[in-house]
Amino acid sequence: AQSVTQPDIHITVSEGASLELRCNYSYGATPYLFWYVQSPGQGLQLLLKYFSGDTLVQGIKGFEAEFKRSQSSFNLRKPSVHWSDAAEYFCAVGAGSYQLTFGKGTKLSVIP
Amino acid sequence: DTGVSQNPRHKITKRGQNVTFRCDPISEHNRLYWYRQTLGQGPEFLTYFQNEAQLEKSRLLSDRFSAERPKGSFSTLEIQRTEQGDSAMYLCASSPGARGSSYEQYFGPGTRLTVT
Repeated sequence: AQSVTQPDIHITVSEGASLELRCNYSYGATPYLFWYVQSPGQGLQLLLKYFSGDTLVQGIKGFEAEFKRSQSSFNLRKPSVHWSDAAEYFCAVGAGSYQLTFGKGTKLSVIP
Repeated sequence: DTGVSQNPRHKITKRGQNVTFRCDPISEHNRLYWYRQTLGQGPEFLTYFQNEAQLEKSRLLSDRFSAERPKGSFSTLEIQRTEQGDSAMYLCASSPGARGSSYEQYFGPGTRLTVT
């Protein structure tokens, strides 16, 4: 069965600093990979996805992620964080019967 | 272009009562999914439908949980004889029917259930 690990529970960065959120997955074949963002009390918004092809994918709000098969990773990056990026971020893998398997999330705090 | 909607947004109920939540997917999406999210965790898959057919329900948490999508449009999730452990956010998502894009799921705002 597939699994997702987000090793960082909570990250704090200063506004304007760069950001990298880590995600490692476990799955036997090439998975479908996603990053979602969740603001307090809200549902999840899709930031970006990887299905195949170019391993560097661009998403909304200036986010990008890189798929590295050799490391089973799909890390999320942003070159300059804005205060409005403070939220919880979830990495997910799609495999099998169309269900998504999520990590436990990384909470991002932004210092003005 | 309306997104996925869920009602109610919040539900407080007493232990032992039955509750029902509704989800209206994006209109052109024929796949619909239910997830549960507890505090500090990522969403956990419960069940999904393709049109009106429920294709996966083995992950429903117990036989107190059931879901329907009678006409292939909106769906309901019912929990009978609620327990305090059922307190959680219940999320609905929908996706197009094409194979790869079925994983590209769009989520509603969720229904937060509190069982007292």
